[in-house]
Order: sequence, then structure tokens, then C-alpha cells
Amino acid sequence: AQSVTQLGSHVSVSEGALVLLRCNYSSSVPPYLFWYVQYPNQGLQLLLKYTSAATLVKGINGFEAEFKKSETSFHLTKPSAHMSDAAEYFCAVTHGSSNTGKLIFGQGTTLQVKP
Amino acid sequence: NAGVTQTPKFQVLKTGQSMTLQCAQDMNHNSMYWYRQDPGMGLRLIYYSASEGTTDKGEVPNGYNVSRLNKREFSLRLESAAPSQTSVYFCASLLQGGVYEQYFGPGTRLTVT
Repeated sequence: AQSVTQLGSHVSVSEGALVLLRCNYSSSVPPYLFWYVQYPNQGLQLLLKYTSAATLVKGINGFEAEFKKSETSFHLTKPSAHMSDAAEYFCAVTHGSSNTGKLIFGQGTTLQVKP
Repeated sequence: NAGVTQTPKFQVLKTGQSMTLQCAQDMNHNSMYWYRQDPGMGLRLIYYSASEGTTDKGEVPNGYNVSRLNKREFSLRLESAAPSQTSVYFCASLLQGGVYEQYFGPGTRLTVT
């Protein structure tokens, strides 16, 4: 069975500091991995995805994530936090060859950016 | 394109009342999903429809029913609402499983008193 664990339900950084949001997955088959962002009172928006091409994936708003099979991790980073990055972030996994497209989500990490 | 739309945006129900949450997508996607979001629990899949004419249970289907009315529309019904169903409900759609991502609607905030 697949699962996702996001370490840290709340992360607080200063504006301009490095953002690191951690995601570890469990999957018995090659996974596809996604990071979504949710701004207050809105739906989820895709930040980036890993679908077995390059292991370093660049997304929107300056975010990137690296797929590390040996560590079963897909951590999200951004070199310099901006106030507008304050939101909730979700990591999700799906079976690469699944025809149902079902996603398993992590618990979410709330990012706070302090001025 | 409007993407994925949901109605209503907000709803308050009394215990035992019924209601249907509506979802529609205009992207010609094959698959559609209903999730609930509760604090600290991420999103949990209630039901999904991998293609028109099929529906399947997800992780938390009890107390819900769904209808895939056509390729565009996927509704979620609460027959007898309970306070435990107070949540934010999201509908999503997907072109097909694999490399494609799901697109989410804006959500319905439901309170059951």
C-alpha cells in the first residue's frame, strides 16, 4: 500500500530564508509524486510533479523538489521565502501505472512566513 | 474554461437532513473524485469515478453516495447528515491516470449541527 508522511505540520521561516518542507513516501511500485499548495479558503493548485523523468523537478513560484529513491523522499524547497508563500502544502503519491489516478495525500504542512 | 466548479460554496444542515453537492468540469477529463478535508488529516478520498459510467469507493465512503451523471458532472449526496460530516469537500478531475495531475474545485464548506 502507498502512503505519504509530511514531517512537521507547521513550519515557520523568515522572509528571505530557505524553505524546506519534507515529504517521505512508501510505495512498492515506482511512484508518481506531486506537491500541491492551498491558499486560505481556496482549492488545491499544483506546484510541481515527478513522473519518472528528471529527478530534480522545478515548479511554479520558484519551488523545486528532488526525488531521492534511496531515501524515499520528495522534499520541497525554495531558496528565498516570500510573504505570499504562506499557505498549506500537500505532498501526494499515485501508482505510476494506475488507470484510476487515485492520489494518497500527506497530512499537510502549514508554512508561516514572518516579516 | 471554468475548470472544476462546485456548488454550493457554503451550506449548513441540521442532523438528519439530506443534500447533494454538485461538481462539474469542462476540460473533457475522464476521471472525477470527491475528497473531504479535515484539520490535520490532509485530503481523504470519499468516492471516485475512473470513467463515465463507473464509480468506486475510496477511503471514507460511509454515509455518502455518488452519481456520475455524464462525463462532465459528478455529484455527492449525503442522505442523512451527521455532525461527523462537517468538513470541507473538494471535487477534482483528471484527464487519465499516470503523468497527469488532478485539478481541484474551490470547495464546499459544510457544517452539520
